[in-house]
Amino acid sequence: SQQGEEDPQALSIQEGENATMNCSYKTSINNLQWYRQNSGRGLVHLILIRSNEREKHSGRLRVTLDTSKKSSSLLITASRAADTASYFCAPWSYNQGGKLIFGQGTELSVKP
Amino acid sequence: DMKVTQSSRYLVKRTGEKVFLECVQDMDHENMFWYRQDPGLGLRLIYFSYDVKMKEKGDIPEGYSVSREKKERFSLILESASTNQTSMYLCASSSQGSYAEAFFGQGTRLTVV
Repeated sequence: SQQGEEDPQALSIQEGENATMNCSYKTSINNLQWYRQNSGRGLVHLILIRSNEREKHSGRLRVTLDTSKKSSSLLITASRAADTASYFCAPWSYNQGGKLIFGQGTELSVKP
Repeated sequence: DMKVTQSSRYLVKRTGEKVFLECVQDMDHENMFWYRQDPGLGLRLIYFSYDVKMKEKGDIPEGYSVSREKKERFSLILESASTNQTSMYLCASSSQGSYAEAFFGQGTRLTVV
């Protein structure tokens, strides 16, 4: 099954700055999802981008997908302290059935 | 109510005990998952179930088994708990659509002493 690899592993920024996290994967996909995990809790779905989409927005979140480079990025604009969390990507393709495979995530710290 | 509920938030068990971690979802989802999460290793899939009584091994099934007798309930069983199974365990569910998102429980932090 396909696993995404997030980069960087850790990111520390000031409130109000933008945060960019990247995800790379190895084989072709049908969609890619991003999730957030607050410390010690379960993951929460943020956004899904389909393989035929290049960019998607949801509030302060902007996700891009470049299937030729097999990579995606998650941009959080005007970060807040409440955005402090770990962020995971999950690339998905039909041939892995319903399985969702996650990587190590990016740990984002937003300082007030 | 769109919820995945794990039976315990914290659990302490002794080495060699048989341990049951329970997970219930109220969304009529076909897919259910068990992951474990350890520092520096991210989330690793233990088992996946796509229907009642159907299961597939994930990346790290050794030392674990699962049971899915009803659609809403997915149990993770540690046949004989060991200290290296001390971890955070996360249950999730999703529908079978190609664009389905997964819903996660709050996690169970298991300590085996």
